[in-house]
Amino acid sequence: QKEVEQNSGPLSVPEGAIASLNCTYSDRGSQSFFWYRQYSGKSPELIMSIYSNGDKEDGRFTAQLNKASQYVSLLIRDSQPSDSATYLCAVHGAAGNKLTFGGGTRVLVKP
Amino acid sequence: EAGVAQSPRYKIIEKRQSVAFWCNPISGHATLYWYQQILGQGPKLLIQFQNNGVVDDSQLPKDRFSAERLKGVDSTLKIQPAKLEDSAVYLCASSLYSGNYEQYFGPGTRLTVT
Repeated sequence: QKEVEQNSGPLSVPEGAIASLNCTYSDRGSQSFFWYRQYSGKSPELIMSIYSNGDKEDGRFTAQLNKASQYVSLLIRDSQPSDSATYLCAVHGAAGNKLTFGGGTRVLVKP
Repeated sequence: EAGVAQSPRYKIIEKRQSVAFWCNPISGHATLYWYQQILGQGPKLLIQFQNNGVVDDSQLPKDRFSAERLKGVDSTLKIQPAKLEDSAVYLCASSLYSGNYEQYFGPGTRLTVT
């Protein structure tokens, strides 16, 4: 079992729709959770961090954390073509005192 | 505020050659990380520095990879000798301190080993 798992996609959504991305992790002791966006050929860019159960909203992005079920999700509302990228879930606490990344979910927003 | 700087951006070498990458973190960031990202995968931590001390190098292939962070600022990652499977993007990231995991990445160095 991978420490941080994501569906590789691609997740295809029409422009204006909600994109829903999921991430599960194996270390029940994990405390900090992050979403990074990575455009093709570019480096990861931090877009959201979440530390406690529940929802956290920032603009069109909402991160949701459920520690009991060991999953974290990212919602992108009113998806735009510029949101087309790979979204990486990263978890601190998985496999020791470091940040562990999932393999990423590729999102394609079609006009 | 300037971001994380890395050089070179691209490097092509033959197997068994050596290569070095340089990173300058965001000013004031005490913690520096080197990651390897193979195409289609998430970044994998190679080494983490807190100031100029190593915090975690458990996934660094020490028979061929080495890294240093002299004076607690700039860092260099070296591969000697390179193998075909080292072809990847090498990312440098920094954060304010070791317990803060909001990491900011540099543009990366794309290494191709032929």
